[in-house]
Amino acid sequence: DAGITQSPRHKVTETGTPVTLRCHQTENHRYMYWYRQDPGHGLRLIHYSYGVKDTDKGEVSDGYSVSRSKTEDFLLTLESATSSQTSVYFCAISALAGSSYEQYFGPGTRLTVT
Amino acid sequence: AQTVTQSQPEMSVQEAETVTLSCTYDTSESDYYLFWYKQPPSRQMILVIRQEAYKQQNATENRFSVNFQKAAKSFSLKISDSQLGDAAMYFCAYRSAYTDKLIFGTGTRLQVFP
Repeated sequence: DAGITQSPRHKVTETGTPVTLRCHQTENHRYMYWYRQDPGHGLRLIHYSYGVKDTDKGEVSDGYSVSRSKTEDFLLTLESATSSQTSVYFCAISALAGSSYEQYFGPGTRLTVT
Repeated sequence: AQTVTQSQPEMSVQEAETVTLSCTYDTSESDYYLFWYKQPPSRQMILVIRQEAYKQQNATENRFSVNFQKAAKSFSLKISDSQLGDAAMYFCAYRSAYTDKLIFGTGTRLQVFP
């Protein structure tokens, strides 16, 4: 499972409240990613990181921010949650497998914004 | 921009039979990777199989094999001797050889009947 954990696994929050999701990895991988999964859309990239304090935006970054102060932790923050951010959120790492890199995913966090 | 299309929202197969899931993609690049991920009810994303575009030989992993048609931009997954545990969502994904970002299709839900 590439040593990836996500917390919390489930969260219900109210519109307008801040929410932080945590991704933790134990194998010192440099590349980390946050995706959201919605019906009819598959998985879409929110933000990614190439190392400590090195982050960039993905396809659906509006309303989200990230931080990476340690190699092992990649935090996703919803500054003011909206109902459109109800989703399942996945963290992933990129690891070398044979001759190329492959992404391995955490268990996911189901977030409901009421 | 690259896109990935899975035109079969749902498929079903009888246990021990063979089923093929379709995936097409659009890209102007010549060097890339294609993946199939499995997502069982547990929600965990599991990498099933990978294909490098520069390889003509189709990838195989036990009961899972692909039919990679580069000119047609088609990448189908064949599951042989289907088992009840194969029931899941299956996602096709594309990655350029020049980036690490995955682009996913919308998924195909596979049901396996005894």
